[in-house]
Amino acid sequence: AQKITQTQPGMFVQEKEAVTLDCTYDTSDPSYGLFWYKQPSSGEMIFLIYQGSYDQQNATEGRYSLNFQKARKSANLVISASQLGDSAMYFCAMRETLYNFNKFYFGSGTKLNVKP
Amino acid sequence: DGGITQSPKYLFRKEGQNVTLSCEQNLNHDAMYWYRQDPGQGLRLIYYSQIVNDFQKGDIAEGYSVSREKKESFPLTVTSAQKNPTAFYLCASFEGGYYGYTFGSGTRLTVV
Repeated sequence: AQKITQTQPGMFVQEKEAVTLDCTYDTSDPSYGLFWYKQPSSGEMIFLIYQGSYDQQNATEGRYSLNFQKARKSANLVISASQLGDSAMYFCAMRETLYNFNKFYFGSGTKLNVKP
Repeated sequence: DGGITQSPKYLFRKEGQNVTLSCEQNLNHDAMYWYRQDPGQGLRLIYYSQIVNDFQKGDIAEGYSVSREKKESFPLTVTSAQKNPTAFYLCASFEGGYYGYTFGSGTRLTVV
């Protein structure tokens, strides 16, 4: 079974609008972390935001927020006020803490295009 | 500044040749990883190492080899047994706790 599922291969958003990128995960580990990374065309992976499985509040980092719904096993990334520089691939990832220690699982990514 | 250095940025290989991709980190991280990324795809784990002189196969280890003789270094060799090596290769390290990976800038390997 897939550990991380991103069902949106590509998305378009108008500049200055908000966009939600979907991510669902599958784990039986009670302790895990969820991450979002941005990959521009240059190829580098840029860390955006982290959510721990025991965190009560949704994580926020500037224009990025993570909509964490533990019962549904979803960890959607919300980008507010999209900018042209947000055009990139976005990857959701999970790290299990007790099982498969220190191993990260990545989704297949979502390519976001921001239109002027 | 601490970080991960991958070299070279671009690498061309003739069929049948082995090539080695370099990955060096000065972050004092114990765990290091190699991922392969094909165009428009996600990251697939090749090998990882939790500690010096120890490493484990990931999901797609066939045709690759690694060594971890020093904490700072985790080179990846793409052997002639790897039938389709053209891809983007990313090295990462991890310090533990509730943090994510630190990634290198990647090596783009092309077989000519």
